[in-house]
Amino acid sequence: GEDVEQSLFLSVREGDSSVINCTYTDSSSTYLYWYKQEPGAGLQLLTYIFSNMDMKQDQRLTVLLNKKDKHLSLRIADTQTGDSAIYFCAANKGGSYIPTFGRGTSLIVHP
Amino acid sequence: DAGVIQSPRHEVTEMGQEVTLRCKPISGHNSLFWYRQTMMRGLELLIYFNNNVPIDDSGMPEDRFSAKMPNASFSTLKIQPSEPRDSAVYFCASSPGQGIPYEQYFGPGTRLTVT
Repeated sequence: GEDVEQSLFLSVREGDSSVINCTYTDSSSTYLYWYKQEPGAGLQLLTYIFSNMDMKQDQRLTVLLNKKDKHLSLRIADTQTGDSAIYFCAANKGGSYIPTFGRGTSLIVHP
Repeated sequence: DAGVIQSPRHEVTEMGQEVTLRCKPISGHNSLFWYRQTMMRGLELLIYFNNNVPIDDSGMPEDRFSAKMPNASFSTLKIQPSEPRDSAVYFCASSPGQGIPYEQYFGPGTRLTVT
């Protein structure tokens, strides 16, 4: 399997919460990231979490980390049409600072 | 700062031609990365430089691909000869090496189409 896996698509209704899930394989990953890619643009760091944390909240964004299961999730509260984008999960491999990216989850928000 | 600058934004070329993609990283950043994005394979790291020195080029798909960083403000990715399967969006990213651990700042990408 791939080092970082995430589902490819998620469709939600405007105003609902979105939850994007990710699993990674390297238990020694110390930094886990969520990047956002809007149409026609490059990736932009959205949020991150250190491996010694299990939750991080930033306005509408909540990141949950289950280190035992190597599972990371991103929850977007009150999802808006402007949140439509591709969301990439990334984790560094132990011993390296270079993140490995998942294939990205396309979030589609419909009215 | 203008962010990471890539040129051209779009490139259409015929199979067999040489293609050169250019990148100007953010001033003061000491790491530079080249990625390729396709529907089939997602985002792949091709090569990265630290202080202008290539550190890991294991992601470069074939000898047809080469990358250089002659100075801290410029890098190129060259494909010679190009093939239709090279069609993809190529991203350059740079990182300051401090602050949020290894945040990467991505350019807008170059969409390459090889016919």
